[in-house]
Amino acid sequence: GENVEQHPSTLSVQEGDSAVIKCTYSDSASNYFPWYKQELGKRPQLIIDIRSNVGEKKDQRIAVTLNKTAKHFSLHITETQPEDSAVYFCAANRGSTLGRLYFGRGTQLTVWP
Amino acid sequence: DAGITQSPRHKVTETGTPVTLRCHQTENHRYMYWYRQDPGHGLRLIHYSYGVKDTDKGEVSDGYSVSRSKTEDFLLTLESATSSQTSVYFCAISEQDNEQFFGPGTRLTVL
Repeated sequence: GENVEQHPSTLSVQEGDSAVIKCTYSDSASNYFPWYKQELGKRPQLIIDIRSNVGEKKDQRIAVTLNKTAKHFSLHITETQPEDSAVYFCAANRGSTLGRLYFGRGTQLTVWP
Repeated sequence: DAGITQSPRHKVTETGTPVTLRCHQTENHRYMYWYRQDPGHGLRLIHYSYGVKDTDKGEVSDGYSVSRSKTEDFLLTLESATSSQTSVYFCAISEQDNEQFFGPGTRLTVL
């Protein structure tokens, strides 16, 4: 099946710094790439997603970039705040298994005040 | 949050007993999913459904079965629970290739 690799598994930054999480995927037919945030004890929630017809998407302090040629996409968080501390998951769909998402293993982001 | 609920929210059971978890949605979404979440493994798909009575296996389906007799309900059954099935179980719903909305989760402990 689709192989989604996510790095790093843990990331610690100082408040105000930027954080970058990277994911790679294996299926060139993938065209939907969401990012989820999961706070401790809560359910995962979508924070941003991108489709293969665009290279970058921004929403305030969060941005996602997509490189289809290299088959990787990244989450960028600027001006980090302690409330950004959570586990972040990337995911990708696959052309042959409609409706299914393949998740990375997650990145634990800690933002120190 | 999307109209998605899970029951029970917490359950403690003994090895060898059957367990059924229920996911209920009020969004009329076509797709429904069951994931388990364990430390270091992220979200792993157990089974999913792409319509009433239409289901398929995920990556960790052994020991689990599912049923979907109505659009709004997706049941996950552990026929004979084992300690390795102690986990947090999340249900999710979506329309094709769109955002998946997750339920609040069920914490299952098998002693």
